[in-house]
Amino acid sequence: EPEVTQTPSHQVTQMGQEVILRCVPISNHLYFYWYRQILGQKVEFLVSFYNNEISEKSEIFDDQFSVERPDGSNFTLKIRSTKLEDSAMYFCASSPQSDSTYGYTFGSGTRLTVV
Amino acid sequence: EDQVTQSPEALRLQEGESSSLNCSYTVSGLRGLFWYRQDPGKGPEFLFTLYSAGEEKEKERLKATLTKKESFLHITAPKPEDSATYLCAVRDHGSSNTGKLIFGQGTTLQVKP
Repeated sequence: EPEVTQTPSHQVTQMGQEVILRCVPISNHLYFYWYRQILGQKVEFLVSFYNNEISEKSEIFDDQFSVERPDGSNFTLKIRSTKLEDSAMYFCASSPQSDSTYGYTFGSGTRLTVV
Repeated sequence: EDQVTQSPEALRLQEGESSSLNCSYTVSGLRGLFWYRQDPGKGPEFLFTLYSAGEEKEKERLKATLTKKESFLHITAPKPEDSATYLCAVRDHGSSNTGKLIFGQGTTLQVKP
């Protein structure tokens, strides 16, 4: 069964450092997403991406965040200057359409720890 | 503002003891209510999508139903392997072009043998 692959599975970074989280979505999917889940809290939407553009972003997704699809297979989330409150599990997801009946396929996540 | 509230927060069942999880939602134009299963340290795994009141979907021991204000996930004769956190999410009219989902906080189910 096709899956969304995220690397690394766990990243520890110093406050103020830049991090790049990487994702390989399912190959025939066109819509890509990042969500995050702070420990013990809800899964929160960050951004959706289609046709090399951001189609929607949340209030969380401020100027410190950016997304990119650098080639035909990878989708990345960059945090420019990490803060302690950025510590969370970050999930990448993809779907064939924005209104997919079959939901969205999520990766296993990257646990980001900012120290 | 769209809201999703799940209850109970945690549920402990004996193997074989059926029960239901609740998801109440407030959304401007529902364009899909989703149920996901999440195991510890993993990403959400898709279970069902429901679109209109009265709709029902089934998969093994799970059955999801939808009304205009809430959805239920019924678990019949659960087994220990059904232990997980069950997440409910909604997509509203405005997000049908972007795919944004709004999640509830989840119900953590523990099934004891």
